[in-house]
Amino acid sequence: DVKVTQSSRYLVKRTGEKVFLECVQDMDHENMFWYRQDPGLGLRLIYFSYDVKMKEKGDIPEGYSVSREKKERFSLILESASTNQTSMYLCASKTQGSFGYTFGSGTRLTVV
Amino acid sequence: AQKVTQAQTEISVVEKEDVTLDCVYETRDTTYYLFWYKQPPSGELVFLIRRNSFDEQNEISGRYSWNFQKSTSSFNFTITASQVVDSAVYFCALSYNNNDMRFGAGTRLTVKP
Repeated sequence: DVKVTQSSRYLVKRTGEKVFLECVQDMDHENMFWYRQDPGLGLRLIYFSYDVKMKEKGDIPEGYSVSREKKERFSLILESASTNQTSMYLCASKTQGSFGYTFGSGTRLTVV
Repeated sequence: AQKVTQAQTEISVVEKEDVTLDCVYETRDTTYYLFWYKQPPSGELVFLIRRNSFDEQNEISGRYSWNFQKSTSSFNFTITASQVVDSAVYFCALSYNNNDMRFGAGTRLTVKP
């Protein structure tokens, strides 16, 4: 069964901490995405990656960075976590040229 | 601009009722794709359907049906004879290329026994 795995289901971090959210897919997908989900706002794209070492900004990249050193892993980095980054974070992947997104179960991050 | 509006924030129905989830979209592109996803309490988004802008045929899949009308820029989703397992957040989404999918705010559906 194909999967997108997000390393943590729940995470609590302090303001100012550097936070790493990890996402791993086992489908050899070229494209990977990080979304943020907030009530009333739906899912908003933070960053995506076409392939290894490639990244593109989405709609709300401020305060975030990403890393894709290996094809199967796409990391979202909060350089200095702030309370307004408290949210649900969803990772997704797909084959280049397709619309078949596969989503992970999400990481609910709370910044205190 | 690409935009998806799901005006219904929450809907509550009793089991076996029919329910329609509304989706209105905005786009200047002539070629685009519309999607519906289901997000159960477990959190992952589950793909339900994809429609391209050139195919206005309505689709039925079991108790689910979709009504795509370009004239009103709508892509509504109806669940017939709802069941408790249909309780979830449902998202409508729009994409005009492979890497820019815009989601609506979502509609939380609660089906009570």
